[in-house]
Amino acid sequence: DTEVTQTPKHLVMGMTNKKSLKCEQHMGHRAMYWYKQKAKKPPELMFVYSYEKLSINESVPSRFSPECPNSSLLNLHLHALQPEDSALYLCASSQMWRGPQETQYFGPGTRLLVL
Amino acid sequence: GQQLNQSPQSMFIQEGEDVSMNCTSSSIFNTWLWYKQDPGEGPVLLIALYKAGELTSNGRLTAQFGITRKDSFLNISASIPSDVGIYFCAGTRAAGNKLTFGGGTRVLVKP
Repeated sequence: DTEVTQTPKHLVMGMTNKKSLKCEQHMGHRAMYWYKQKAKKPPELMFVYSYEKLSINESVPSRFSPECPNSSLLNLHLHALQPEDSALYLCASSQMWRGPQETQYFGPGTRLLVL
Repeated sequence: GQQLNQSPQSMFIQEGEDVSMNCTSSSIFNTWLWYKQDPGEGPVLLIALYKAGELTSNGRLTAQFGITRKDSFLNISASIPSDVGIYFCAGTRAAGNKLTFGGGTRVLVKP
């Protein structure tokens, strides 16, 4: 089983709203990732968690706040977003962050629209 | 950020045709991954390559890790309509490095 699940599938929010995106995997992976993807572009890395600790923050604005409550769950808390933050948000996981042969498995994504 | 050079950017397929796409880089990579992404969905892993020269198949798909470690190709044989989508190559240059993506190849059906 190589399944990463994400909820919700779609989200529409206003610029003053607070919302959260959720990601879950039960593959025993210890590295989890958030990516942002704009239309017709490849995914762009936002955050990397390794063993539930934040390892990489790609200079993401503080209106995006990641959280890793346990090894299977990854959240992305959203607050005061801008319309240009509208995108497909992808979660991914891999066995380890610093393994020699790491393969990332992606979830189906959350399509976010900020009005 | 850095991208792999993926070509072609788009291609039209006719059912039954074989198609090919490739990724190149000026840097050495130690892992090459090929993903397919349908509209509104996440990328789905097709093939993972870990050794220079490795040739791996997954059904009608075949991918190779270039011997120089700077390139990879993906072939689709006997294409069918559901092969339509965007194919991304991706790679890591060393353990603990981030995935670098190609710009994608859009596969469309010939009208």
